[in-house]
Amino acid sequence: RKEVEQDPGPFNVPEGATVAFNCTYSNSASQSFFWYRQDCRKEPKLLMSVYSSGNEDGRFTAQLNRASQYISLLIRDSKLSDSATYLCVVNGGQGGKLIFGQGTELSVKP
Amino acid sequence: GAVVSQHPSRVICKSGTSVKIECRSLDFQATTMFWYRQFPKQSLMLMATSNEGSKATYEQGVEKDKFLINHASLTLSTLTVTSAHPEDSSFYICSARVQGSSYEQYFGPGTRLTVT
Repeated sequence: RKEVEQDPGPFNVPEGATVAFNCTYSNSASQSFFWYRQDCRKEPKLLMSVYSSGNEDGRFTAQLNRASQYISLLIRDSKLSDSATYLCVVNGGQGGKLIFGQGTELSVKP
Repeated sequence: GAVVSQHPSRVICKSGTSVKIECRSLDFQATTMFWYRQFPKQSLMLMATSNEGSKATYEQGVEKDKFLINHASLTLSTLTVTSAHPEDSSFYICSARVQGSSYEQYFGPGTRLTVT
């Protein structure tokens, strides 16, 4: 079983749609959780950290369920500029190592 | 803040040569830097953790004699790919963790290595 698993994608949605990404992780000792965004041939950029209480940043909402070891990202009113690969990232416990999911590609069409 | 640079951004080299990639934290000190590799359509795979002033910790399956890491200062880590072969062609990305932060890492822009 992979340490971090995401929806395989790709997701093709029209502008304005709401899209949800799911992620599960295997290490129950993980303490920090993130969503990163990666554009084609670029480095990942931090989108948001994920907290147990859930957090929202504009059109983006992240949720964490520690009991189920499940993380989600919801994007509302999607824009063309949201097209990218979204990476679920979990700290691996020792030394601050981050474990990346394989990513879910999102393509927003006009 | 928290800017990380990498140099070069792109390099093409012949099989058998060595290539050095630099990773710098520009506006903060990073006691720990990380080196990742990403093949097309795949996610980032951690290669090694670089700690300032000590030996790097390599992930399972990563040859430490082939991928030499040096972290001589709080703002610079280097990765040298020795005797590069075409299968080493990949996107190499470094990241740095802000000292005292909660595992948040900032990534360099990456180096695209092509070995011919």
